[in-house]
Amino acid sequence: AQKITQTQPGMFVQEKEAVTLDCTYDTSDPSYGLFWYKQPSSGEMIFLIYQGSYDQQNATEGRYSLNFQKARKSANLVISASQLGDSAMYFCAMRDRHSGGGADGLTFGKGTHLIIQP
Amino acid sequence: DAGVIQSPRHEVTEMGQEVTLRCKPISGHNSLFWYRQTMMRGLELLIYFNNNVPIDDSGMPEDRFSAKMPNASFSTLKIQPSEPRDSAVYFCASSHFLTGAGTEAFFGQGTRLTVV
Repeated sequence: AQKITQTQPGMFVQEKEAVTLDCTYDTSDPSYGLFWYKQPSSGEMIFLIYQGSYDQQNATEGRYSLNFQKARKSANLVISASQLGDSAMYFCAMRDRHSGGGADGLTFGKGTHLIIQP
Repeated sequence: DAGVIQSPRHEVTEMGQEVTLRCKPISGHNSLFWYRQTMMRGLELLIYFNNNVPIDDSGMPEDRFSAKMPNASFSTLKIQPSEPRDSAVYFCASSHFLTGAGTEAFFGQGTRLTVV
């Protein structure tokens, strides 16, 4: 079963509009983390925002916020006041916690290609 | 901090040749990850290390792939022999692990491998 699902392969948005990128996940672990990364055309992976499964409030980082709906297993990324520089691939990812601690690898969705139009 | 450093940035090699990709994690980070990105399969975790010890290599596609981490500041991913289907961007990432799931991984710039 796919653990991370991003249903929007591509999106076109007008500059200055808000954008919501969808992400749903699947896990049976009560403790997990959800991440969003941005990959511009230059190829690097840029960490944007993190949400822990036990966090009471939605995460925010500048223009980025994460709309976390635990019961629906959804972790949508919201970008407010979009800019031309926001054009990129956006990946949702999850880490389950394994017993014994330690950092485990991320499982990534297929990504959403966001294009901001002037 | 210089971030995660990968070398080379680009590699073009002939089928059958050995390829070695290198990674220097961020100083102080004790978890290191190798990912592969292709159009068809997206981003896949190949292997990861905690405190230089390989924890999970179930993502390594075949025995042709091997990874080592001889010390906290260096890791290699080797493909021998290489095949055209190994062409991809290979990312190394590192993080400082804490108990729980909340540490983000910092990625290197990636190595774009082309096997002809």
